[in-house]
Amino acid sequence: NAGVTQTPKFQVLKTGQSMTLQCAQDMNHNSMYWYRQDPGMGLRLIYYSASEGTTDKGEVPNGYNVSRLNKREFSLRLESAAPSQTSVYFCASLGGPGGETQYFGPGTRLLVL
Amino acid sequence: GQSLEQPSEVTAVEGAIVQINCTYQTSGFYGLSWYQQHDGGAPTFLSYNGLDGLEETGRFSSFLSRSDSYGYLLLQELQMKDSASYFCALSGAGSYQLTFGKGTKLSVIP
Repeated sequence: NAGVTQTPKFQVLKTGQSMTLQCAQDMNHNSMYWYRQDPGMGLRLIYYSASEGTTDKGEVPNGYNVSRLNKREFSLRLESAAPSQTSVYFCASLGGPGGETQYFGPGTRLLVL
Repeated sequence: GQSLEQPSEVTAVEGAIVQINCTYQTSGFYGLSWYQQHDGGAPTFLSYNGLDGLEETGRFSSFLSRSDSYGYLLLQELQMKDSASYFCALSGAGSYQLTFGKGTKLSVIP
């Protein structure tokens, strides 16, 4: 099992450009999440999807959109990138014996100039 | 909303024991989790407390007291590879979301 995979690993954008971050999991998990991590700020939830066909806003959703394409895939889109969106983005899915473990992808490092 | 407080940095000696504390404010939650993150890496799950008390997993133990709004992660027999950031996180009541603390950077020195 690959677990949670993310593409791309690194990206540089100019202000105003758009891009989509891809995430896929092969663990048959229902719930998936997008976080951003900034220095000294911990991880902050952008959007999540409790199950296929549903998405909800997290703590910092402004400037982002998401699509739960199917049970495996959950994408994050930046329509018009801003320097404030420079960050490391992590995708995660929820599983574990009691459904309490989030499994994280390797992250996407995004720089917006 | 939910908020968590944990020390920003802790230094400990190889072979020793270290405790990382986490205090929180919330109107309701399912449980308290701990995640480890090495520099440049992704967070990985360490432990979960759904009930008050101590959970032990090898060298790592985690504790929760709902009455005190407090938990901690205890690392025993510290190794150099334990140098990492450690995050406590609350599972929100009625949802699947995690709210993370800002993390504690643990440095293990020889």
